[in-house]
Amino acid sequence: SQTIHQWPATLVQPVGSPLSLECTVEGTSNPNLYWYRQAAGRGLQLLFYSVGIGQISSEVPQNLSASRPQDRQFILSSKKLLLSDSGFYLCAWTAVGPPYEQYFGPGTRLTVT
Amino acid sequence: AQSVSQHNHHVILSEAASLELGCNYSYGGTVNLFWYVQYPGQHLQLLLKYFSGDPLVKGIKGFEAEFIKSKFSFNLRKPSVQWSDTAEYFCAVTPGTYKYIFGTGTRLKVLA
Repeated sequence: SQTIHQWPATLVQPVGSPLSLECTVEGTSNPNLYWYRQAAGRGLQLLFYSVGIGQISSEVPQNLSASRPQDRQFILSSKKLLLSDSGFYLCAWTAVGPPYEQYFGPGTRLTVT
Repeated sequence: AQSVSQHNHHVILSEAASLELGCNYSYGGTVNLFWYVQYPGQHLQLLLKYFSGDPLVKGIKGFEAEFIKSKFSFNLRKPSVQWSDTAEYFCAVTPGTYKYIFGTGTRLKVLA
């Protein structure tokens, strides 16, 4: 069966520090991968998605970037964190083909201080 | 721009009450529709989905949703809620591309 991992689970970082959040998927090949930010009362905001290695689509211009160095690995990064980057970050995957349901990871709670 | 509206942000019900959560989307073409649920401390998980066919779809735990194309709606229903249904519910739409658009969520609290 498929599994999606995210780490770390929680992170507290000072303003101006770099960020790296990692997401890996097991049990499937060539998934579509997604990064979302979830804020209370604002739902899930799509940040990035990827349909293949090295292919990244950005949905919201911001202080963050994403990379997909391997088929089942998706990384969310920032060179310098802002206070507004605080939030709950979710990784998700879907199978390739018709729009299938998304499967979500456990999330990372990021607090920028 | 495509969007999804969930009109009820917070809902409080007593056990055995009936539930209906509204979801409207703005997109004129063919869409695929989902309801996700996030129980306290758990991952987001799929409750039900609509791709085509019968507009009344049934999901897990007694939930159902009806797709009304003319109203651009996909409302979630349950005849009798339980305390364990306390969770946050999200409606989502995809127009058949890679992009999924989520509503802002509805927090449901069921009183025992």
